[in-house]
Amino acid sequence: EAQVTQNPRYLITVTGKKLTVTCSQNMNHEYMSWYRQDPGLGLRQIYYSMNVEVTDKGDVPEGYKVSRKEKRNFPLILESPSPNQTSLYFCASSPAGTGDGYTFGSGTRLTIV
Amino acid sequence: GESVGLHLPTLSVQEGDNSIINCAYSNSASDYFIWYKQESGKGPQFIIDIRSNMDKRQGQRVTVLLNKTVKHLSLQIAATQPGDSAVYFCAVNPTGGYNKLIFGAGTRLAVHP
Repeated sequence: EAQVTQNPRYLITVTGKKLTVTCSQNMNHEYMSWYRQDPGLGLRQIYYSMNVEVTDKGDVPEGYKVSRKEKRNFPLILESPSPNQTSLYFCASSPAGTGDGYTFGSGTRLTIV
Repeated sequence: GESVGLHLPTLSVQEGDNSIINCAYSNSASDYFIWYKQESGKGPQFIIDIRSNMDKRQGQRVTVLLNKTVKHLSLQIAATQPGDSAVYFCAVNPTGGYNKLIFGAGTRLAVHP
């Protein structure tokens, strides 16, 4: 089944403790992206990657890092999480193009206390 | 830059009625528009899309209308069913924004029997 898989689904952690949210897709998509979803704000793009070793900032990149060492994986790294990063996170992938064919993962709910 | 807004945060309809969800965008040069459905605990799922060279596109029980003059987008759901209850997002791909989507805040559709 074609899908984007995120782990973990839920995580409660403490301020300052480094964490990684993994994202993997099995569709051989070139493009991958991370979004965060907050009430009343919709989804906002954090980082995106157009291909292996090619990443760039989205609209809200502060406090996050990403890497794209393999085509299928695009982990999101929070080096020193803070409470304002408490949110629902989605990974998405698509074939190279203009935005069509996006497939989203099921989401990761992060709580930073 | 582009911004996307929805007219109503919530919409309540009777089962069997038609639903209309609206969206406004700011950049007249935006060329690709998508509607997503997000059910509780899941990631956004693609419903239907439309490009700027079209005014209307129909799918199964759904129709998207694009009015470029007033920069307005709508999603019409015919014979709304309980399974249509979800949050609906419009997303816009700004011209030149490679695989970048700007999301509205979402409209929660509640279908009552």
